[in-house]
Amino acid sequence: AQSVTQLDSQVPVFEEAPVELRCNYSSSVSVYLFWYVQYPNQGLQLLLKYLSGSTLVKGINGFEAEFNKSQTSFHLRKPSVHISDTAEYFCAVLPPGGATNKLIFGTGTLLAVQP
Amino acid sequence: DSGVTQTPKHLITATGQRVTLRCSPRSGDLSVYWYQQSLDQGLQFLIQYYNGEERAKGNILERFSAQQFPDLHSELNLSSLELGDSALYFCASSATGSGTLSYEQYFGPGTRLTVT
Repeated sequence: AQSVTQLDSQVPVFEEAPVELRCNYSSSVSVYLFWYVQYPNQGLQLLLKYLSGSTLVKGINGFEAEFNKSQTSFHLRKPSVHISDTAEYFCAVLPPGGATNKLIFGTGTLLAVQP
Repeated sequence: DSGVTQTPKHLITATGQRVTLRCSPRSGDLSVYWYQQSLDQGLQFLIQYYNGEERAKGNILERFSAQQFPDLHSELNLSSLELGDSALYFCASSATGSGTLSYEQYFGPGTRLTVT
């Protein structure tokens, strides 16, 4: 069965510094990968997705992620963070198959941007 | 705004009671998903409906049930509520059906259920 591991439960970072949120998945077959963001008291918003093609995926709000098949990773990066990026970030995997699209989420990483 | 609406926003009820959570998907989306977010279990998939039919089941308790109506809105029914059912319940929708290439799920704002 597929699973997603987000190694860091919390990442503190100063404003304008770069950040990387780590995500590893386990699967013996190809999967689709997603990053979602959850701002306080809100629902989840899709940041970016990898389905196929270029391994570097660009998303909203200046975020990008790189799919690395050999390392089964899909780390999220941003070169310069803002206070407004403070939120919970979830990595998710979609098992292949087509009949159902149930997302499997990691445990989340709280990005805490400090001034 | 994702276009997915959920009501109510907050719900406080007592153990043993039954509640109904409602979700309206984005216009045109045929698939509806229900997820539960709790501190101890994280975000977990509960159930998926596609065009009125159950498509997939996840870690959904037997006390919970769902349905999708002809107008595509969905309801999640939770009965014999226990303290441990307190959580944020999200609905998501997508246009994905068999053979399509869009796998994006759009989430509603959630219903926060508190069981006392």
